[in-house]
Amino acid sequence: EADIYQTPRYLVIGTGKKITLECSQTMGHDKMYWYQQDPGMELHLIHYSYGVNSTEKGDLSSESTVSRIRTEHFPLTLESARPSHTSQYLCASSEYTKGNEQFFGPGTRLTVL
Amino acid sequence: AQSVAQPEDQVNVAEGNPLTVKCTYSVSGNPYLFWYVQYPNRGLQFLLKYITGDNLVKGSYGFEAEFNKSQTSFHLKKPSALVSDSALYFCAVREAGNTPLVFGKGTRLSVIA
Repeated sequence: EADIYQTPRYLVIGTGKKITLECSQTMGHDKMYWYQQDPGMELHLIHYSYGVNSTEKGDLSSESTVSRIRTEHFPLTLESARPSHTSQYLCASSEYTKGNEQFFGPGTRLTVL
Repeated sequence: AQSVAQPEDQVNVAEGNPLTVKCTYSVSGNPYLFWYVQYPNRGLQFLLKYITGDNLVKGSYGFEAEFNKSQTSFHLKKPSALVSDSALYFCAVREAGNTPLVFGKGTRLSVIA
């Protein structure tokens, strides 16, 4: 079992609220990622980071923002949640070597009413 | 640009029969290929990967995959399916460099008792 954690696991909030989804890993991985996935559907990369103070946008345009102040922590923030943000958010990490697999957290299921 | 195709949205197989989940890829250089499995309300779990060497790769839970360079394929196989193998399976690829994995759209496997 990979040592990557996401909180909360489930979140139901109202439109317009600011939320932060937490992701932490204890493996010392340099690279971290956020994916958005509708249940049972494909994954869309929304943000990634190659290390501290490095963040990049992924393939899917997202209104969320991320920060990487510490190696082990990669939070994702939505300033004003909308129903269109309802989805599952998966965090992952990997070592820097290109042949290494990504380890995934359990996900956060977000519902915006 | 790198890409992955999983041509089957759904694969149904009887318990005890062999199973195959198909994956083809497109990269400009040498591929690094991965298979993941996702159970309901969970993150993705790593099954196996091909980096170099033997074309037949063995992974977790009795799964294996065969790398075929001429057909640009990396099909997932298991000699005898279990009902507990029922899940969503994702193929992923990374080409040269340290880019994030690119995932296919996923194939839902149903093993019927």
